[in-house]
Amino acid sequence: AQTVTQSQPEMSVQEAETVTLSCTYDTSESDYYLFWYKQPPSRQMILVIRQEAYKQQNATENRFSVNFQKAAKSFSLKISDSQLGDAAMYFCAYRSPRSFYGGATNKLIFGTGTLLAVQP
Amino acid sequence: DTGVSQDPRHKITKRGQNVTFRCDPISEHNRLYWYRQTLGQGPEFLTYFQNEAQLEKSRLLSDRFSAERPKGSFSTLEIQRTEQGDSAMYLCASSPSGGGGNEQFFGPGTRLTVL
Repeated sequence: AQTVTQSQPEMSVQEAETVTLSCTYDTSESDYYLFWYKQPPSRQMILVIRQEAYKQQNATENRFSVNFQKAAKSFSLKISDSQLGDAAMYFCAYRSPRSFYGGATNKLIFGTGTLLAVQP
Repeated sequence: DTGVSQDPRHKITKRGQNVTFRCDPISEHNRLYWYRQTLGQGPEFLTYFQNEAQLEKSRLLSDRFSAERPKGSFSTLEIQRTEQGDSAMYLCASSPSGGGGNEQFFGPGTRLTVL
């Protein structure tokens, strides 16, 4: 079964600085998708960035970028020029293209999250 | 479009009672998911619909849980004979059909407290 591990329960960064959140996963599949979701306090979860496993190029969305190391099964999120609004819980998630029964599945498998604090 | 909505936002019930939650997905999305999130954990998949068909259900899901999506629009999640361990945030998400990289849009969740 696929698993997602986030080993940093909490992180802190100064405003305008850069921070990297770690994520590792375990899978025997070669084709899959990885996501970072942000969950602000008392607000709904939103997608930050996604990566397709067959693409070697790391995804980038404005101040957010990933370091995808497929062989190492590592998928870290870098936030540049951190802003106060970046403070939130960040979840790494994996999506397999196949279910246990061999059919298509769309479920996301989440890590336990990293709580990011941004200091002014 | 206002996004995914869930009702109620909060529910307090006594052990043994039945509860029902509702999710209204983004109108053009034919895929709908339910997740459960407990304190300090990431969301855990419960079940998935494509239109009105329930295509996947977590093996961890107790028989006390049932979900429906009549006519492929809104969905309901019912928990029968609630237990204290059912206390959690129940999240609904929706997505369009297509590739696996499609974003799942999440609702604000229903927080259930079982006394």
